[in-house]
Amino acid sequence: AQSVTQLGSHVSVSEGALVLLRCNYSSSVPPYLFWYVQYPNQGLQLLLKYTTGATLVKGINGFEAEFKKSETSFHLTKPSAHMSDAAEYFCAVTFSNDYKLSFGAGTTVTVRA
Amino acid sequence: DTGVSQNPRHKITKRGQNVTFRCDPISEHNRLYWYRQTLGQGPEFLTYFQNEAQLEKSRLLSDRFSAERPKGSFSTLEIQRTEQGDSAMYLCASSRDRFKYGYTTFGSGTRLTVV
Repeated sequence: AQSVTQLGSHVSVSEGALVLLRCNYSSSVPPYLFWYVQYPNQGLQLLLKYTTGATLVKGINGFEAEFKKSETSFHLTKPSAHMSDAAEYFCAVTFSNDYKLSFGAGTTVTVRA
Repeated sequence: DTGVSQNPRHKITKRGQNVTFRCDPISEHNRLYWYRQTLGQGPEFLTYFQNEAQLEKSRLLSDRFSAERPKGSFSTLEIQRTEQGDSAMYLCASSRDRFKYGYTTFGSGTRLTVV
């Protein structure tokens, strides 16, 4: 069975500080990995994705993530947090022979002024 | 590209009533998905269409849940005899092909409250 684990349900950072959200997956086949952001009462917006190729992927709003196969991880980072980054973030996985996304439980980010 | 549209945005219903939600996918997307998201959790896959064919429905939560996609365009999700446990956000998503040309785009969801 494949699954996604997001470590830490809540993360609080100061404005301008590093944002680090952790995601680990379990899979016996190569994964396709995604990070989505969700603002209150809204749907999910794709931040970035990894399918094949370069393991460091850059997304919107200054976010990036690195696929590390040896660690089965796909952690999301942003060098400098902005107040507008306050939201819930979801890591998701799928596979070449699958059609659905499997999501982690999410990490809520708050940004302190 | 007008995005994935879901209606209504909010629905409050009494327990035991039937409700129907509509999803209009991005026009050139042939795949359509329904997910459910409960408070504090990530979205949970419910069902999937490729064009008008429903290729996966085993994840629908019970036989009170059904989905259709006539003519491979919009889709509806119906819940019969609603229960308080059905209260959740119901998300629709679409994609053009498995992941060859892009990614899954989500709508803003329909929030269901059963009282």
